[in-house]
Amino acid sequence: RKEVEQDPGPFNVPEGATVAFNCTYSNSASQSFFWYRQDCRKEPKLLMSVYSSGNEDGRFTAQLNRASQYISLLIRDSKLSDSATYLCVVNIAGGSYIPTFGRGTSLIVHP
Amino acid sequence: GAGVSQSPSNKVTEKGKDVELRCDPISGHTALYWYRQSLGQGLEFLIYFQGNSAPDKSGLPSDRFSAERTGGSVSTLTIQRTQQEDSAVYLCASKQRGSSYEQYFGPGTRLTVT
Repeated sequence: RKEVEQDPGPFNVPEGATVAFNCTYSNSASQSFFWYRQDCRKEPKLLMSVYSSGNEDGRFTAQLNRASQYISLLIRDSKLSDSATYLCVVNIAGGSYIPTFGRGTSLIVHP
Repeated sequence: GAGVSQSPSNKVTEKGKDVELRCDPISGHTALYWYRQSLGQGLEFLIYFQGNSAPDKSGLPSDRFSAERTGGSVSTLTIQRTQQEDSAVYLCASKQRGSSYEQYFGPGTRLTVT
């Protein structure tokens, strides 16, 4: 089983739709979690951190479920500009602090 | 403030040549990572530096790959005797020490081996 798993998609949704991605992780010692966004031929950029209590930033909501070992990202009112690959990142407490990246979920928002 | 910078942005080299890729991390970031990303693929971890500790080289794909980090700041990734399968985007990231901090990525170096 891979340490961090994501559905590669693509998720193809119309403008204005609500879309949600999940990311599962296998290591129960995982301590901190992030969602990154990567546009085509660009570097990954931090979208948001994921806090235990869940957090919201405008149209984006991230949640953590430690019992089931997954994090989620919800995008409301999708825009064309939301089209990108969304990467889930997990940091494990202790050890060498090498973040583990998922393979990413591709989102395509169409008119 | 200044972000992570990488140079060159693009590099075309002939098979068998050596190449050096440079990364300037964000000032004050003690952790530095190198990744490789082939077209349409996920990030492949290569090597990790943390302060003055010995680097974690567990992701280097072969002994043709090596990296240095001088003075705890600038890092150079060297690929000797390049092969066509080395063609990819090489990304550098830096972060503060500790698992709660996020990584900041540079724009990458696109390497093409002909």
